[in-house]
Formats: sequence, C-alpha cells, structure tokens
Amino acid sequence: GDSVTQMEGPVTLSEEAFLTINCTYTATGYPSLFWYVQYPGEGLQLLLKATKADDKGSNKGFEATYRKETTSFHLEKGSVQVSDSAVYFCALSSYNNNDMRFGAGTRLTVKP
Amino acid sequence: EAGVAQSPRYKIIEKRQSVAFWCNPISGHATLYWYQQILGQGPKLLIQFQNNGVVDDSQLPKDRFSAERLKGVDSTLKIQPAKLEDSAVYLCASSLRQGGSYNEQFFGPGTRLTVL
Repeated sequence: GDSVTQMEGPVTLSEEAFLTINCTYTATGYPSLFWYVQYPGEGLQLLLKATKADDKGSNKGFEATYRKETTSFHLEKGSVQVSDSAVYFCALSSYNNNDMRFGAGTRLTVKP
Repeated sequence: EAGVAQSPRYKIIEKRQSVAFWCNPISGHATLYWYQQILGQGPKLLIQFQNNGVVDDSQLPKDRFSAERLKGVDSTLKIQPAKLEDSAVYLCASSLRQGGSYNEQFFGPGTRLTVL
C-alpha cells in the first residue's frame, strides 16, 4: 500500500545551519504530498504541500519539491532558528486512500 | 475561524477502565478523522467519518474501540476496556472533503492517554 519513509532523527543543528529532512514515498496513484510540524504540546500543523509533480511547496522559509522521478519530497530550510525546534512529519494522500499516511517523524532541535 | 477542539487534554486511567474522548471539528468540515499517535511514531488512522457515516474503520480495534458522529458534527471515541498499549495521543482532524489535493486536514491539540 501507499507509504512514506522519512529520515530517522533526532537531528540537532546550530542556529542558522542548513536543514534537510529526507522523505520518500511509495504510491500507486498520483498522491498529494505534505509536511506537517508538531511543536511541543500542540497538535499537527500543515507546513506546506504539493499536489503534482515538480510543484514546490513553501512556507516560513521551508521548501519541498515534489520529485516524481525520485519519489521524493525532501524538506529544506536555508537557515534554521531555535523556534523551528519541533517534530516534522512527511505525509501523503491520494484518491486511492481515504486517509493521510504519515512517516514516523523527525525530531529537530536547534541550539543557539 | 475556530480550530478543531478536543477534550480532555490529558487522561490517566487504569487498565480495564473505560475512557471517552470528544472532538468538535471546524464548522462546515464534512470529514472527521481519529488518529492514534504512539510515542515516537507518526499518527495512524483509526476511523474516518464523512458527515455521520463511517468511511473507513479498518484499523479500529473494534473489540474495544468505538466511535460515533451523531448529527455529522461532534464525535466521540471510546475505549472499553483499556489496555496498557492504548497509551498514546489521540488526535482528531477534520477536512472539507476527502482525497486528493483537497485533503488538507486540520488537527486538534490531541488527548494524551496514559493507561497504568
């Protein structure tokens, strides 16, 4: 079935460092891809999304490009801040599924 | 606009007891989801409603879990009796519709359940 695999954490970076969190997917159809963020003690929030190949989702300095040829949707940010410390989830949804399929999550800690 | 509301935020019970969680979705959202998020894992869908009908409950442990969405708005999720492995965060989400590019789900803060 459809699934998402994301890089294991935790990831610890210094402020202003470059961030990449890898995400690859397996899907039979043409899924929409999402990154959700979960701050401590809060529910999941949509960070960005892309609905078709070569689309780039962006928000709050984060970017991810839907790469059909490599079945990937890697999350990047050029300069992380302490406030970006959270757990990041890659997810997909397609017309074949009724639900959102989530990766296991990657915990990011940014140190000043 | 108001987000997805859930209560309680925290619950501690002993095994074999029962517990219920409540969710109020965003107004106008037809689709409602309950997810179970075990520590260190991504959320896993338990049940999905479209209005007041069940769309998918294939991963719901029906011998102990039940859920309803009367009148197609609020929903309750119940566990009876609880087991130690039910300790998790239970997330409720809602969306305008299911599937494809419109399946943007909005999540509530979750209920953290601890079973002792």
